Amino acid sequence: GNSVTQMEGPVTLSEEAFLTINCTYTATGYPSLFWYVQYPGEGLQLLLKATKADDKGSNKGFEATYRKETTSFHLEKGSVQVSDSAVYFCALIRPGAGSYQLTFGKGTKLSVIP
Amino acid sequence: NAGVTQTPKFRVLKTGQSMTLLCAQDMNHEYMYWYRQDPGMGLRLIHYSVGEGTTAKGEVPDGYNVSRLKKQNFLLGLESAAPSQTSVYFCASSPANEQFFGPGTRLTVL
Repeated sequence: GNSVTQMEGPVTLSEEAFLTINCTYTATGYPSLFWYVQYPGEGLQLLLKATKADDKGSNKGFEATYRKETTSFHLEKGSVQVSDSAVYFCALIRPGAGSYQLTFGKGTKLSVIP
Repeated sequence: NAGVTQTPKFRVLKTGQSMTLLCAQDMNHEYMYWYRQDPGMGLRLIHYSVGEGTTAKGEVPDGYNVSRLKKQNFLLGLESAAPSQTSVYFCASSPANEQFFGPGTRLTVL
């Protein structure tokens, strides 16, 4: 079946530090890959996505590259801010799934301290 | 556009009581989903719908029912609430390859 594994948190960084949150997946074919962010007390928002191998998704200074050879989609940001404190979810949609169901990782909580 | 809205935002139930959570979207999306979020578990799919009048089971459907009588609305029902159903419930809608989430409903079952 499909699954997503992301690094366990919580992750605590100082402002302006470099961020990496690892995400690997298991799926047949070529899934679409996503990073969602959940700020405290809110729903999930799409942060970025990639739909084919070697695509790079980017938004708000965050980046992730779809690596088919390592089945990975790691999230990176060069300089985090306090406002980036949130829970980050890696997810996939299995190709050919007519319902476009998302399979989520368990989430990684990021805290950025001044 | 309001996007995806959920009603109510908070609710406290006693064991055995019933309730319905309402999800509404104004984006004319075909697909709608109900998830629950529990600490350390991520989001798990309860039920989903691929169009008006259709519903299907997700990963954790037991104890829940759903209906999609109108394209813009997706209702999640708990017929006899149990403490294990204490959770945050999220609705989402999708035109295809991207999902848009509502703000969530926090449900506590005593």
